[in-house]
Amino acid sequence: AQSVTQPDIHITVSEGASLELRCNYSYGATPYLFWYVQSPGQGLQLLLKYFSGDTLVQGIKGFEAEFKRSQSSFNLRKPSVHWSDAAEYFCAVGARGYSTLTFGKGTMLLVSP
Amino acid sequence: GAVVSQHPSRVICKSGTSVKIECRSLDFQATTMFWYRQFPKQSLMLMATSNEGSKATYEQGVEKDKFLINHASLTLSTLTVTSAHPEDSSFYICSARRQALNTEAFFGQGTRLTVV
Repeated sequence: AQSVTQPDIHITVSEGASLELRCNYSYGATPYLFWYVQSPGQGLQLLLKYFSGDTLVQGIKGFEAEFKRSQSSFNLRKPSVHWSDAAEYFCAVGARGYSTLTFGKGTMLLVSP
Repeated sequence: GAVVSQHPSRVICKSGTSVKIECRSLDFQATTMFWYRQFPKQSLMLMATSNEGSKATYEQGVEKDKFLINHASLTLSTLTVTSAHPEDSSFYICSARRQALNTEAFFGQGTRLTVV
């Protein structure tokens, strides 16, 4: 069975500082990996995805993520965080594209002035 | 990206009553829709997958008689929580996907259900 672990429940970052959110997955085959962002009381917005090819993927809002098969990781990064980035971030793994996604428990990002 | 709309965004109902949540794809035809449930401070748990015109496929542990899913058209799926109880209070989110398997699934804004 597939699973996703986001080890950090909360992270606080100063505005302008760099950000890395961790995600580890467990899946028997080549995974489809996703990062979503959720603002309070809202649905999810896709930030980026990895299906195949280049292991460093670029997403919206200046986010990027790197797939490392040897570490079973798909960490999300941003070089300079803005206050509007404060939200909850979910990593997800899918067996076949978007067919059925398994989500991590999420990491709440707080941005301090 | 495409737009998926859920209605209502918030609903409060009395124990024992039923409540219907709608999920609409506004500008594309969604052959597949997914329903998730999110508990406070928790992740999204897939409840069921529905394909237009056929019965929904429920995840293990989800009561199909309690959470009725209908996907009668390519733009609308409904989730009906029957005989609601306070423990059904949660955030319900749908997502919708076009026909091709590897196309993005777009999420609705969610429905906050409170059963009193």
